[in-house]
Amino acid sequence: RKEVEQDPGPFNVPEGATVAFNCTYSNSASQSFFWYRQDCRKEPKLLMSVYSSGNEDGRFTAQLNRASQYISLLIRDSKLSDSATYLCVPRQGGGGATNKLIFGTGTLLAVQP
Amino acid sequence: NAGVTQTPKFQVLKTGQSMTLQCAQDMNHNSMYWYRQDPGMGLRLIYYSASEGTTDKGEVPNGYNVSRLNKREFSLRLESAAPSQTSVYFCASSVWDRVTDTQYFGPGTRLTVL
Repeated sequence: RKEVEQDPGPFNVPEGATVAFNCTYSNSASQSFFWYRQDCRKEPKLLMSVYSSGNEDGRFTAQLNRASQYISLLIRDSKLSDSATYLCVPRQGGGGATNKLIFGTGTLLAVQP
Repeated sequence: NAGVTQTPKFQVLKTGQSMTLQCAQDMNHNSMYWYRQDPGMGLRLIYYSASEGTTDKGEVPNGYNVSRLNKREFSLRLESAAPSQTSVYFCASSVWDRVTDTQYFGPGTRLTVL
């Protein structure tokens, strides 16, 4: 089983739609989780951090289900500018400066006008 | 505040040539990382440096060496490039604490080995 699994997409949605991505992870010891956004041929940038059951930031909501080992990202009222690849990133282990991030392959979102 | 900078942006090498990828950060971060990104695969950690003076292997270290020159700079060296090292290379830095662990990435170096 891969350490992080994401549906690669693409998810093609109209502007204004609500879209959700799921991600499953295999390391039950992971304590911290992140969603990064990566635009085409650009570097990843942090979108959200999730340390407890979830987090909300404007139109973006992340939910964590530790029992089932999955994380979701919900985007409401999609904008054209939301078009990007969304990377699910658990942090390996329980914490510590040498704990490493494990990057998923990403889910591609294309918001259509 | 430039964040994380990388040079060069693009590079073409012939098999067997060597080169060094440079990375610098101006955010006073302790930890620095080198990743490679290949189509259909997530970013994979090559080497990291948790603090100045230390370096450790990541998931895919073979064929690479690193130097943490000082707190700001972390370089990646390919001694004898191979076509399998064709990839996009990202450098990142972070300041870790128990609550946050945001990694900031440079713009990447696109390397082709012929």
